[in-house]
Amino acid sequence: DSGVTQTPKHLITATGQRVTLRCSPRSGDLSVYWYQQSLDQGLQFLIQYYNGEERAKGNILERFSAQQFPDLHSELNLSSLELGDSALYFCASSVGSGGDETQYFGPGTRLLVL
Amino acid sequence: AQKVTQAQTEISVVEKEDVTLDCVYETRDTTYYLFWYKQPPSGELVFLIRRNSFDEQNEISGRYSWNFQKSTSSFNFTITASQVVDSAVYFCALSGVISNFGNEKLTFGTGTRLTIIP
Repeated sequence: DSGVTQTPKHLITATGQRVTLRCSPRSGDLSVYWYQQSLDQGLQFLIQYYNGEERAKGNILERFSAQQFPDLHSELNLSSLELGDSALYFCASSVGSGGDETQYFGPGTRLLVL
Repeated sequence: AQKVTQAQTEISVVEKEDVTLDCVYETRDTTYYLFWYKQPPSGELVFLIRRNSFDEQNEISGRYSWNFQKSTSSFNFTITASQVVDSAVYFCALSGVISNFGNEKLTFGTGTRLTIIP
């Protein structure tokens, strides 16, 4: 158990809908990262927050947004869902924000868009 | 841009055999960090090891060992006396330094699916 929690574990929804994925980092970690794992794209970095502020952005679609709250938990919002958004979404956390930090991953949220 | 290549898509070995998973990386950073993660069938990503670019000392942890060679930009992972529980997808990853915004993220390889046959 990495100490990173993600809810829900599974999510099934329809095209055009909006969902929110939630992540709680390990105790003491200030950085939260979101990654998407799909069969065709592999593991892709989406976005990083550090202590409430956006730190780095990857290949995140405009339909997707995220935020980190004062208690350091983070939410990833996916809207106008398409079939291709079906994937495993991981949250990871680390103490700091640098590349030297080890990122510990949560169990993931498996999203299926029908 | 950073890149990680895991050329072996799938490997199958019989239990107790040794197996090496290859990882080759590309980066323009002079300081960088290399990682291995394991993804068992249950789906979670489990951290195995982190290596700094300025430390080329090889590391052994039980049945696992890692060979970092800067000259060939490789960071290979060997499992000795493999066990069925080692069956998983293994990912090699690379991150850069804080001064290059965006390089702090992990860039993953495509993974190697390892199957240990009993």
